[in-house]
Amino acid sequence: GQNIDQPTEMTATEGAIVQINCTYQTSGFNGLFWYQQHAGEAPTFLSYNVLDGLEEKGRFSSFLSRSKGYSYLLLKELQMKDSASYLCAFMDSNYQLIWGAGTKLIIKP
Amino acid sequence: GAVVSQHPSWVICKSGTSVKIECRSLDFQATTMFWYRQFPKQSLMLMATSNEGSKATYEQGVEKDKFLINHASLTLSTLTVTSAHPEDSSFYICSARMDRDTEAFFGQGTRLTVV
Repeated sequence: GQNIDQPTEMTATEGAIVQINCTYQTSGFNGLFWYQQHAGEAPTFLSYNVLDGLEEKGRFSSFLSRSKGYSYLLLKELQMKDSASYLCAFMDSNYQLIWGAGTKLIIKP
Repeated sequence: GAVVSQHPSWVICKSGTSVKIECRSLDFQATTMFWYRQFPKQSLMLMATSNEGSKATYEQGVEKDKFLINHASLTLSTLTVTSAHPEDSSFYICSARMDRDTEAFFGQGTRLTVV
């Protein structure tokens, strides 16, 4: 079967670093996505990993290990505006996106 | 990134009426568009997947006669909520992608309130 799991909620301090983990199980895999969603708004694309390793994009980095079915989103130098839900999703063998429930990140001053 | 425009951003309608939501890819041709529903504090729920020129594929439990999806061109898909009920009140979001192995871009979402 297929499933994807990420923590429901995390809290971090402004200026710090936080890592949001995502684990998944699937027989067919065509990449993993991370999206950011602020309350009341639609998701916005952050990153796409299809090969193992770390992809860095400014303050945000995303890591993928296909053998472990594991990804993480790393946010550095946290800002208050980073308070949002972070959704991970993998693309299965039919190129359909399977979504996690999202991790609500709370940033405290 | 690519731009997907969804209209209207919010709509209030009376029970029993129909509401049409448009989703347009402004700067790319979208071979596939997705329609999601999201209830407060919950994740995205895929309602249907539509490919240009063919019938939409609905997820289990989504009534195709109630949620009419049309994907007549590579830049436009519409979702019509027919005979709306208060329980249809939700945040409806479309997304579009160019190719099957590229990222999907989301519209702004439509907040539907049925009174």
